[in-house]
Amino acid sequence: DTGVSQNPRHKITKRGQNVTFRCDPISEHNRLYWYRQTLGQGPEFLTYFQNEAQLEKSRLLSDRFSAERPKGSFSTLEIQRTEQGDSAMYLCASRETSGSIGTQYFGPGTRLTVL
Amino acid sequence: SQQGEEDPQALSIQEGENATMNCSYKTSINNLQWYRQNSGRGLVHLILIRSNEREKHSGRLRVTLDTSKKSSSLLITASRAADTASYFCATADMNYGGATNKLIFGTGTLLAVQP
Repeated sequence: DTGVSQNPRHKITKRGQNVTFRCDPISEHNRLYWYRQTLGQGPEFLTYFQNEAQLEKSRLLSDRFSAERPKGSFSTLEIQRTEQGDSAMYLCASRETSGSIGTQYFGPGTRLTVL
Repeated sequence: SQQGEEDPQALSIQEGENATMNCSYKTSINNLQWYRQNSGRGLVHLILIRSNEREKHSGRLRVTLDTSKKSSSLLITASRAADTASYFCATADMNYGGATNKLIFGTGTLLAVQP
């Protein structure tokens, strides 16, 4: 399977704990995106990487959130001191760099439940 | 924040009927894309229409775009039970000299196709 993969698929944690999610994009895709989706809503943009550079962050990405893409391949999203309001589906997407028109390919998501 | 609204929020039809979903957005766009999401899963890209296009077809899908009204519609013809899913429109933000980056999603239409 050469699509975008995300791990874990599900994460249940207690409030106050730290969690980390991983995203492996399609191998030749330089651009990587993180989105968050709450129940009944469309995904909302969190952050964007081109290779290892984090080029944009949403105001939704509070100080408790940090994302990295150290080698320009896989990416991690860490949430520190989780709160119940962090419960959501976290989606990763990737696309090619070339051209200004591009399809983003999404992974299956990581569903986070904070108790 | 969401880009706009999708209409209707929910739609229930019989197999074989056509389904039409509408999307409105707020800002200038480079392109508009439609995605499908099966329950609790990641998003699957369906079709992309550029801002200088008015209509596009892909199999049983027909998309229209009216940039003067900032609206788009997705028509699924001869629907099947497997088409049951949530459908989202997403607009590509104009940024970095025209290169598209983050997607801004609507609130989605939940389509149920009864066998």
